Amino acid sequence: DVKVTQSSRYLVKRTGEKVFLECVQDMDHENMFWYRQDPGLGLRLIYFSYDVKMKEKGDIPEGYSVSREKKERFSLILESASTNQTSMYLCASSRAEQYFGPGTRLTVT
Amino acid sequence: KNEVEQSPQNLTAQEGEFITINCSYSVGISALHWLQQHPGGGIVSLFMLSSGKKKHGRLIATINIQEKHSSLHITASHPRDSAVYICAVDTSGSRLTFGEGTQLTVNP
Repeated sequence: DVKVTQSSRYLVKRTGEKVFLECVQDMDHENMFWYRQDPGLGLRLIYFSYDVKMKEKGDIPEGYSVSREKKERFSLILESASTNQTSMYLCASSRAEQYFGPGTRLTVT
Repeated sequence: KNEVEQSPQNLTAQEGEFITINCSYSVGISALHWLQQHPGGGIVSLFMLSSGKKKHGRLIATINIQEKHSSLHITASHPRDSAVYICAVDTSGSRLTFGEGTQLTVNP
């Protein structure tokens, strides 16, 4: 059974903190994605990666960075968390069909 | 205007009813995806299609490339079908653009 896991289901951080969200997939997929999901706005792409050490900006990359040192792991970094980054963060991997992780609900206070 | 438009935004049905959710898009695509999201956040891929029709159990997805339109049908709906259904189009290299979703509630 295919699996995408995320490091936390719920996370509470303070404004200005550095936040790491980790995503691991066990399907040997080249493509990995980070999305955020907000009411009324749907899913929006933050960053994606087609291969190890490769990254591409999505639609809303401002305030975020990513790291992909190994094929199975794709990390999303909030360098200095702000309250407008409170959201549900979803990771996905794909070769064709996308497989999603369970999501991390991040609250920045 | 969004590149992917879904209708309706909200849908309430009685158990057993036939349900249709529509998706229209305005860009060239290589594939269209239908996704399901239950309360709690998990998203599951239901279908990926680039032409014609696919069926899985009580779910049927169709796409008309010329009209840039897809439909998701649920036959004999059940309360466990209650979820958000999301249409997404693949415009290049697995990069998806999403509709806002349709909240389906099936009452017993």
